[in-house]
Amino acid sequence: AQSVTQPDIHITVSEGASLELRCNYSYGATPYLFWYVQSPGQGLQLLLKYFSGDTLVQGIKGFEAEFKRSQSSFNLRKPSVHWSDAAEYFCAVGRQAGTALIFGKGTTLSVSS
Amino acid sequence: DGGITQSPKYLFRKEGQNVTLSCEQNLNHDAMYWYRQDPGQGLRLIYYSQIVNDFQKGDIAEGYSVSREKKESFPLTVTSAQKNPTAFYLCASTRNAENYGYTFGSGTRLTVV
Repeated sequence: AQSVTQPDIHITVSEGASLELRCNYSYGATPYLFWYVQSPGQGLQLLLKYFSGDTLVQGIKGFEAEFKRSQSSFNLRKPSVHWSDAAEYFCAVGRQAGTALIFGKGTTLSVSS
Repeated sequence: DGGITQSPKYLFRKEGQNVTLSCEQNLNHDAMYWYRQDPGQGLRLIYYSQIVNDFQKGDIAEGYSVSREKKESFPLTVTSAQKNPTAFYLCASTRNAENYGYTFGSGTRLTVV
């Protein structure tokens, strides 16, 4: 069965510092991988996605993620965090087009000044 | 602009009462999904539908029911059989033939009073 693990429940980063949020998945074939962001009381917004090809994918708001098959990971990175990046981040995995995504439990990002 | 609309934003339910959450999309998406979000639990799949007049149970379908009579609409009913319905409910949609990730609604917060 597919699963997604986000090992960090809560991370605090200083404004301007770099960020890496971890995501590990369990799936036999190459999955569809996603990162979403959620502000309090809101829906989720898609940051980026990976299906195939180049393992480093660029997303919105300056985020990027790298797919590493050998480590079953899809970590999200940003070189310089802004206070407005404070939110909850979710990693998700899908089996094929149109099927239901499996979400991790999320990582809450706090940004300190 | 196209999008996905959930209503109401806040909903209060008395014990033993059924309530229906609305989800409407004008994106011409084929598939629609309902997730439940609880603090620290991530998003858990309740029901999903890939075509009109057809739907499948997700991981936590007990105490919930859905219908898909129109492509644009996928209402969720929380029945009195759902013992702990207080949560944030998110609706999402996507095209079946592609997997560019979901578009999410802004959610409904249901509270039992």
